[in-house]
Amino acid sequence: QKEVEQNSGPLSVPEGAIASLNCTYSDRGSQSFFWYRQYSGKSPELIMSIYSNGDKEDGRFTAQLNKASQYVSLLIRDSQPSDSATYLCAVKNAGNNRKLIWGLGTSLAVNP
Amino acid sequence: SAVISQKPSRDICQRGTSLTIQCQVDSQVTMMFWYRQQPGQSLTLIATANQGSEATYESGFVIDKFPISRPNLTFSTLTVSNMSPEDSSIYLCSVENRRWYGYTFGSGTRLTVV
Repeated sequence: QKEVEQNSGPLSVPEGAIASLNCTYSDRGSQSFFWYRQYSGKSPELIMSIYSNGDKEDGRFTAQLNKASQYVSLLIRDSQPSDSATYLCAVKNAGNNRKLIWGLGTSLAVNP
Repeated sequence: SAVISQKPSRDICQRGTSLTIQCQVDSQVTMMFWYRQQPGQSLTLIATANQGSEATYESGFVIDKFPISRPNLTFSTLTVSNMSPEDSSIYLCSVENRRWYGYTFGSGTRLTVV
């Protein structure tokens, strides 16, 4: 069974620190990887996508992918209280049905 | 990215009744996805809807309970039929943005069955 695993948290970091969120996946043929942020009562919002091994940076966010280790992470630099949310890792199935396999999410709290 | 209008945003329904949720997309998309998210949980895919063909349902979800329509490339509906309190959840539609390969979500429908 194809799975995506995340630590549920809560992960608590002080304001200004780096928050590190981790995700592992079981399907070695997976090709696309996404990080979504979800505020309480809101729908998920895409913040990063990554397809190749290595790092991808976008502002304060960096996604890291290691396909050999089946591991994808999200780093949030200079964490702000507004970053407090649940972060969902999603992996696209390697087949043609284009559906995403979702982790359970990691709750992040950034303390002022 | 695509913009999705989902309605209703919330509803309180009597058990045994049905509710139809609508999603309208501002661009043509091949596939639409319907999810359920129970409180404090992650997303569970209900079905994938292609225009012009029957929806593909995930394990544990059946067409009689969750009929889906997909009359064109910009619109879909999900009906929650013969509702029970266990159906209380947030229902979300989603589409894939071909331009940048991300997925966009509607704003969600918060359903409470009493």
